Amino acid sequence: DTGVSQDPRHKITKRGQNVTFRCDPISEHNRLYWYRQTLGQGPEFLTYFQNEAQLEKSRLLSDRFSAERPKGSFSTLEIQRTEQGDSAMYLCASSSARTGPYNSPLHFGNGTRLTVT
Amino acid sequence: DAKTTQPNSMESNEEEPVHLPCNHSTISGTDYIHWYRQLPSQGPEYVIHGLTSNVNNRMASLAIAEDRKSSTLILHRATLRDAAVYYCSSTGTASKLTFGTGTRLQVTL
Repeated sequence: DTGVSQDPRHKITKRGQNVTFRCDPISEHNRLYWYRQTLGQGPEFLTYFQNEAQLEKSRLLSDRFSAERPKGSFSTLEIQRTEQGDSAMYLCASSSARTGPYNSPLHFGNGTRLTVT
Repeated sequence: DAKTTQPNSMESNEEEPVHLPCNHSTISGTDYIHWYRQLPSQGPEYVIHGLTSNVNNRMASLAIAEDRKSSTLILHRATLRDAAVYYCSSTGTASKLTFGTGTRLQVTL
């Protein structure tokens, strides 16, 4: 178990630029989640994949955000035309479907911190 | 999603037990209760979860009220490494874990 890996750890970008983050889940996990966390708040759910299928998206995920998991392994989260309000920690998590949909613990990566100037 | 309420902060002395409360009065019958903790500059870490019965694992114990409207995370002997923000969540599926602002636990010598 090498854990969930996220890249990059930090990203500084100018308003209006596009950014892409990558998440590598634990290898045998078929579920992958993206969360966003701002200072002093708990993580907020953005979207969820089971294998390559994106099964759920939060209303927080505006049309400037797109997430993919093309082969059911790693995932990317792209933000187009970044705004200062996008500054946050973007967290990826994975879980296994083997224990059932209601009680599978999530394993989080250490996140990508985005700063939009 | 069920709403959870936790105290903003708590303090404990090292080597003493800590009881972290959570109210989830709108919980439904199929919602599991999950606890996670987050250390500075790290992602949340799974601690424990349960449905109705009390649960124990190597990290902590989870005591669930009989009416399931509240739960308590118990750290049996707090250490400095347990200083973190603790989140409870009561949701139907892990895909919709909803985190509040959590309880910041401070552990002192």
